[in-house]
Amino acid sequence: DTAVSQTPKYLVTQMGNDKSIKCEQNLGHDTMYWYKQDSKKFLKIMFSYNNKELIINETVPNRFSPKSPDKAHLNLHINSLELGDSAVYFCASSQERRTIEAFFGQGTRLTVV
Amino acid sequence: DQQVKQNSPSLSVQEGRISILNCDYTNSMFDYFLWYKKYPAEGPTFLISISSIKDKNEDGRFTVFLNKSAKHLSLHIVPSQPGDSAVYFCAAGLTGANSKLTFGKGITLSVRP
Repeated sequence: DTAVSQTPKYLVTQMGNDKSIKCEQNLGHDTMYWYKQDSKKFLKIMFSYNNKELIINETVPNRFSPKSPDKAHLNLHINSLELGDSAVYFCASSQERRTIEAFFGQGTRLTVV
Repeated sequence: DQQVKQNSPSLSVQEGRISILNCDYTNSMFDYFLWYKKYPAEGPTFLISISSIKDKNEDGRFTVFLNKSAKHLSLHIVPSQPGDSAVYFCAAGLTGANSKLTFGKGITLSVRP
């Protein structure tokens, strides 16, 4: 019974395409995040949502648009994909008022060719 | 500007011995510190955390030590087991609203049988 699940796990696409990554958590958490792990292996936060409201946007290009239809889902839509967008994208969730431990999905490896 | 640094990229330890993984941070405002473990093709898994009001937290074979004056924390694994072989990420954050985690680059631990 996966706590944070994201799909797809692998995504290969051509430059210029638009793609989406979906994320769902069944932990009842009120905060969800998108992190990016680049080629240098750093995990960096991109966005966070609390109860469907955008809280953090870490100077991510506006080609990236998160969408939170409800507090259990946070999807990431990417327009006009570029080679530099190739990375592993992780969704995570946390229950902020208790702790800041975040629970991560298995990641989506995006490869732009 | 790396606020969380894991300066050693890898560590190799004999099974049964102690593994010591180090982490340094620069932001004195951080009040919560975490360690995550990551296997290939999986998301990071929360391992152990420590609040800045403590200097030690223990959970089974895992102990985290925090030295606030030195802005340094370490993870001790005793005894090390081959299944502990993974990438370990140090993370830090601020509790409260709009919290986010800042991660180090990770260290690859190999435990030799």
